[in-house]
Amino acid sequence: EDQVTQSPEALRLQEGESSSLNCSYTVSGLRGLFWYRQDPGKGPEFLFTLYSAGEEKEKERLKATLTKKESFLHITAPKPEDSATYLCAVQDNSNYQLIWGAGTKLIIKP
Amino acid sequence: GAGVSQSPSNKVTEKGKDVELRCDPISGHTALYWYRQRLGQGLEFLIYFQGNSAPDKSGLPSDRFSAERTGESVSTLTIQRTQQEDSAVYLCASSPGQGGTQYFGPGTRLLVL
Repeated sequence: EDQVTQSPEALRLQEGESSSLNCSYTVSGLRGLFWYRQDPGKGPEFLFTLYSAGEEKEKERLKATLTKKESFLHITAPKPEDSATYLCAVQDNSNYQLIWGAGTKLIIKP
Repeated sequence: GAGVSQSPSNKVTEKGKDVELRCDPISGHTALYWYRQRLGQGLEFLIYFQGNSAPDKSGLPSDRFSAERTGESVSTLTIQRTQQEDSAVYLCASSPGQGGTQYFGPGTRLLVL
């Protein structure tokens, strides 16, 4: 059964303190792994799609990496505006559905 | 270009009433998805449309929930005889085809009193 686990559930950092969020997954055949950002009261906002182990993508202070078992979302020198819940989802080769993790709530203190 | 839009943005209703939630996907997107998100919880899949057909309704929590899509565009999620446990944010997403990146609307916040 496809499964996605995100850790930690919540992470508090000081502004400028770099860290990483983890997304561990189990899937029969990975079609894609997706990262989204969700601000309170809003719908998820697409960040990245990763398709194969070893792939990396960057956007501003965020970099997503992928291995055969997990993905990391690295945040470098974060700012308070990076505070949000970060969601990870996977799609396998046989199913259009996205399997979602519960998210990591990131709080960046000024 | 325009993103996914949903209406109403907020809906307060009384227990037992019916509600209709609307989703306008990104133009040209053939796939459309409905999710439910309870406060502090993850996304719960409800239903998926490819064109006007719904090949997978397995996520609908009960027969009080139904959805339709017309003209490969607008979709409506209907909840009949609402219950307090239906209170949640209902999110709609669309994608260019089956699978692939889903783009979300802002959601409809439903409160059943």
